Amino acid sequence: QVHLVESGGGVVQPGRSLRLSCTASGFTFSSYEMHWVRQAPAKGLEWVAVTSYDGNNAYFADSVKGRFTISRDNSKNTVSLQMNSLRTDDTAVYYCARRATISYHGLDVWGQGTTVSVSS
Amino acid sequence: QSALTQPASVSGSPGQSITISCTGTSSDVGGYNYVSWYQQHPGKVPKFMIYEVSNRPPGVSDRFSGSKSGNTASLTISGLQAEDEADYYCSSYTSSTTYVFGTGTKVTVL
Repeated sequence: QVHLVESGGGVVQPGRSLRLSCTASGFTFSSYEMHWVRQAPAKGLEWVAVTSYDGNNAYFADSVKGRFTISRDNSKNTVSLQMNSLRTDDTAVYYCARRATISYHGLDVWGQGTTVSVSS
Repeated sequence: QSALTQPASVSGSPGQSITISCTGTSSDVGGYNYVSWYQQHPGKVPKFMIYEVSNRPPGVSDRFSGSKSGNTASLTISGLQAEDEADYYCSSYTSSTTYVFGTGTKVTVL
C-alpha cells in the first residue's frame, strides 16, 4: 500500500530553522518527483516546492525561495524540507505529496501532514 | 505567483449540477493543459479528482468533469450528492516551472 508519512513539525521561534521529513513506502520512490504543499490554519492549499526524481532539480514558490531547500535520499525513500529563517506566516500543516502516476502535473498520494507553528 | 481565483462558495441542491471556475493567466491556466482539481473534506487530506484539465483518475466518479477555456478552467459536479460537500481547489503548472493552487471553493449541498 502506498504511504507517505511526514515528521519533524513543531513549535519554533521566528528566525529559527526546522527540518521536515517524509518517508515513503509501497512504491518505487526513486521514480517520482516529490512535492511539499502547505495549508495555513483555515486557509487554502499553497504549493511550496518540488524535487525531481533524482534530486538534481528543485523548484520553489516565491514565498519560500532562498529560505527553504528540498532534498531526497532515494536509498532511504525520504524527502526533506529544510526551512530556514522561519516567519510567522510559515505556520501551516505541511504535506508531502507524490507526483501522480498518470500525470506529471498532478498529486495523487498525500501524507497526513505535519504541523509547523512559528511563534515567539 | 498569485493564487488562481476561485469563487469562495458555490451551493446546489441534491441532484443539481454546479460549476466551479478557476481563473489564472496565460502563464499558468491559459498556457498549459496541466490543470488539476482536488477535493478536501474538513480535517482530511486532499484527494486528486481531475488531471490535465479533463481527465479523471481511476476511482473518481464520472459525475466530476473538467474543462478549460482561455485562462479559466472549470470543474462541474453533476447529480450533486451530500458527500460532495467539501472544499475544492484547482492547481496549475506555471511558466516558472512551479505550481500554483486556487483560492479554494466551499461547496455546500442544500
